[in-house]
Order: sequence, then C-alpha cells, then structure tokens
Amino acid sequence: DQQVKQNSPSLSVQEGRISILNCDYTNSMFDYFLWYKKYPAEGPTFLISISSIKDKNEDGRFTVFLNKSAKHLSLHIVPSQPGDSAVYFCAYTNAGKSTFGDGTTLTVKP
Amino acid sequence: KAGVTQTPRYLIKTRGQQVTLSCSPISGHRSVSWYQQTPGQGLQFLFEYFSETQRNKGNFPGRFSGRQFSNSRSEMNVSTLELGDSALYLCASSLFTGTGELFFGEGSRLTVL
Repeated sequence: DQQVKQNSPSLSVQEGRISILNCDYTNSMFDYFLWYKKYPAEGPTFLISISSIKDKNEDGRFTVFLNKSAKHLSLHIVPSQPGDSAVYFCAYTNAGKSTFGDGTTLTVKP
Repeated sequence: KAGVTQTPRYLIKTRGQQVTLSCSPISGHRSVSWYQQTPGQGLQFLFEYFSETQRNKGNFPGRFSGRQFSNSRSEMNVSTLELGDSALYLCASSLFTGTGELFFGEGSRLTVL
C-alpha cells in the first residue's frame, strides 16, 4: 500500500503562470512533509517543508499547503520559471524515516 | 562544506555478481539513508543507519545489505545481482533533527546485464 501518492506523473505550465503539484497520503503519523526537486543526473535537493501542526508555509515563490482532514498536500510555484522544470517529490518524515511519492515531472514552457 | 559523495558514479555488472557502493556523508551528519530509484517507481527506501546501527529497513530482499562505519561513512552491498536491480542508488545524510531534511548525493547508476 503506497503511503504517499502523487497522482499526476507530469504537469506542463506556461512560464509566469502558477504550478500546482499535489500529494495525497494515508498515514497520519508524520512529523514533517517535505518537497524535493530533482534534476536529471543529480540527487534530489530539499525545497520546502511543513510541520504537521501547520497548514501553510511560504518561501519566496514556493508555498506548501497542508490539509490534514483531506490528507492532502500541495506545492504552489508562482510565478513558474523554465528553471523550475524538474521532477518534484513529496515525502513525509516519521521517526527518522522518509517516505517518498513517485514524483511529478514539471515542465515550464518559455 | 563538502556534500554527500557517492562512489562509483556509474557501474556495469552482470547477473549473479555482487556490488558494493560507497557513501561519504556531510561532515557532522550521523544518519545515512539509502534509496533505490527506478523509472516510475519514485524513491524506494532501503535502509537507514545512525551511529553504526541500522534503525530502519525497507521492503527489500536480504540480498541488499548495508553498514555504517565509525566515521559515518556507509556502504551498501547487493549480492547475486538480478536484471531488476538496475537503478540509481541514492545515499542521503541528515542531522536527524528538525525537519529530517535529507541531503542527497548524486547517486550511483548501476546497470545489470
């Protein structure tokens, strides 16, 4: 049973518009949710996180929303830039272990 | 500050062989995790070590093993390689405080022929 699901394998948006990446989870026992970005031939890099006790966290163009009742997480990127084109993974941490979704490939077209 | 270093970056093996991958974490990080990434499968958790002890283990067969040394460097070994073991193996280190943010290496790309 997959505990973290990113139901959209890919997303394409125009430069300057908003990108919304979604993540659903089944396990309510987590400390933090994190988003990572991965470029080809590189390891994932941390993007933004949110604590289980919060419902929103902002960092520049990136905002993460957490809806605990719906067990849903989303990452908003505004405005989207071509350099944002990458694979985005959501993950939660619990007791030292991180569980990842399958990733969503974001393409931002100039 | 040096990042997470993984060696080798690329390797090709044949079925039945075994392979050892190495990971040097960021200085001061005592937690090291290993993940397998295959196309369309996301990052599958293999195991996590902290202070030379395996604390968490994923759902992989016993052919996959690992260890951590006193200097926090870690190795993972895969014995009796199968074609399906072809993947990118990622190592990540963390401080194991706060958010649990992982710092990943660039990975070791294993191809099994």
